Amino acid sequence: DAGVIQSPRHEVTEMGQEVTLRCKPISGHDYLFWYRQTMMRGLELLIYFNNNVPIDDSGMPEDRFSAKMPNASFSTLKIQPSEPRDSAVYFCASWAGPSYGYTFGSGTRLTVV
Amino acid sequence: QKEVEQNSGPLSVPEGAIASLNCTYSDRGSQSFFWYRQYSGKSPELIMFIYSNGDKEDGRFTAQLNKASQYVSLLIRDSQPSDSATYLCAANTDKLIFGTGTRLQVFP
Repeated sequence: DAGVIQSPRHEVTEMGQEVTLRCKPISGHDYLFWYRQTMMRGLELLIYFNNNVPIDDSGMPEDRFSAKMPNASFSTLKIQPSEPRDSAVYFCASWAGPSYGYTFGSGTRLTVV
Repeated sequence: QKEVEQNSGPLSVPEGAIASLNCTYSDRGSQSFFWYRQYSGKSPELIMFIYSNGDKEDGRFTAQLNKASQYVSLLIRDSQPSDSATYLCAANTDKLIFGTGTRLQVFP
């Protein structure tokens, strides 16, 4: 199993541009989570899906952020327009269920200049 | 108040010593608890989880849970320099809520 796959690994963009982060979960995992990690705030949950349906998006900071999961093998997190304060590492994780731990992807380091 | 709290450290221990990492949580509905290790610039990786009161051992690692005190700990025996990392505690209800992590430094 290739694990959770995220792309791109690094993204540098200018303020105001649209950014799209991608994630492929582990096959058979019904849950997918998007987290953001910064030094100041640690790992923050943005949104999670169960069977492709968004369950809790209360962590999405504002309307500039949106996430989709069109099928069981693909999810996107979009920021439009991006701002310098969005600079962080964004992790995707998938989960077989409450008796198991998450498996994290390698993360996308986003820098907005 | 944060839902999961950890001392940010750094916790410095000599090689071969026992490192003790602590975590408290606020949601009594939390069912299970996870410890992750994160090396600098890498993603978190699962070390172990616990859901019953008491101790759970896995190799050099022991997780301890006290639900009455809402307290979770991780002991690392025979600490090695390769154990130097940030250790994240997480509490599970329907999702994992993470603490901000404790940085562990093991010096030779």
